[in-house]
Amino acid sequence: EAGVVQSPRYKIIEKKQPVAFWCNPISGHNTLYWYRQNLGQGPELLIRYENEEAVDDSQLPKDRFSAERLKGVDSTLKIQPAELGDSAVYLCASSLESTGGYNEQFFGPGTRLTVL
Amino acid sequence: DAKTTQPPSMDCAEGRAANLPCNHSTISGNEYVYWYRQIHSQGPQYIIHGLKNNETNEMASLIITEDRKSSTLILPHATLRDTAVYYCIVSGRSGYSTLTFGKGTMLLVSP
Repeated sequence: EAGVVQSPRYKIIEKKQPVAFWCNPISGHNTLYWYRQNLGQGPELLIRYENEEAVDDSQLPKDRFSAERLKGVDSTLKIQPAELGDSAVYLCASSLESTGGYNEQFFGPGTRLTVL
Repeated sequence: DAKTTQPPSMDCAEGRAANLPCNHSTISGNEYVYWYRQIHSQGPQYIIHGLKNNETNEMASLIITEDRKSSTLILPHATLRDTAVYYCIVSGRSGYSTLTFGKGTMLLVSP
């Protein structure tokens, strides 16, 4: 079974440039998450989707960050313009919500962003 | 969600049991204890979860105190591949509850 796929794995850009990250969740998983992980810290939730609806985007810096989940499957996270402080690993995760289920999220390998 | 406290780092000899503690004194009655781990350059991986009973799976055992204010993750025979950051998280049952990661415990397994 294929896991969560993310691309690119690494991205280096100059500040003020735009950048986009792509995520393909595990087939059939209806819930998709984007996290940001700064060096030495645990992941922090940016946005959570239930199918194509963003149900929790309270931690997403909406002035420069945007996200979408096409047809409730793949998702893209965009930053425009990028700032030096955006350097981090961006993780995508997915899960299958079901009656009696528990909070097991499956994470991709992440995209390491460096803003110069 | 309740906050958790973990030691920043621990060492363990290969083949020995690794016991990782976690304090969660403000846990509420309907919150679960989850453990995830993150191997270097990978995303976090689910290990185990529990409510109040001890739990065991193929990866680890979870011991939760009777008052539920603390727990211990046990890796019975640690290997070098168990070197990772281990996160103890208190959360609701389903994915509708947020996983709030702290800094975790860096477990170093040595030969």
